[in-house]
Amino acid sequence: ETGVTQTPRHLVMGMTNKKSLKCEQHLGHNAMYWYKQSAKKPLELMFVYNFKEQTENNSVPSRFSPECPNSSHLFLHLHTLQPEDSALYLCASSQDLGTSGAYEQYFGPGTRLTVT
Amino acid sequence: QQQVKQSPQSLIVQKGGISIINCAYENTAFDYFPWYQQFPGKGPALLIAIRPDVSEKKEGRFTISFNKSAKQFSLHIMDSQPGDSATYFCAASKGFQKLVFGTGTRLLVSP
Repeated sequence: ETGVTQTPRHLVMGMTNKKSLKCEQHLGHNAMYWYKQSAKKPLELMFVYNFKEQTENNSVPSRFSPECPNSSHLFLHLHTLQPEDSALYLCASSQDLGTSGAYEQYFGPGTRLTVT
Repeated sequence: QQQVKQSPQSLIVQKGGISIINCAYENTAFDYFPWYQQFPGKGPALLIAIRPDVSEKKEGRFTISFNKSAKQFSLHIMDSQPGDSATYFCAASKGFQKLVFGTGTRLLVSP
């Protein structure tokens, strides 16, 4: 295991539901990421948190709302999603060294989301 | 300019053969080029990575070849084994954080 856990592993939700994805890292890292993985598309970086502060938002629709209460936990709150949002959502973490760069990213197993 | 183009989309190699996956990039500011391996039901795992100051890096059966002038890099898997069957992603970034991924190559190594 990589030291990054995600729950739930599978989620089916209707377009009017509200749900949350959870990520926890046990590596002592200070940077966490959300990615979206769709079939036949590159992994898409959604959000980056450094030291609990959001430093990147790659034009993600507001129906995705991240939350990082501390450097070990990351949430992705979902509401009024569309069927095209069905994908594998991956969490990753790394040790950020500030201007010196960062160490490699470690990924969790992902949450397979299906929007009906 | 942020794209990384990866080919082929899928690859079938016989056991013991050499698997070769290619990637090309446009952004000359990229200075970190990792390869990730992903098995079904798992997240991507870092396999091997290279910086542009070297032309080749080898770790066991896995080798990255890097051509800075052509803006291309490739992954070679020597003596491919059925256990290597997975999806492989190349990526590039300036620093480690904002990785830009290729579309992935599904490798099947036949027994």
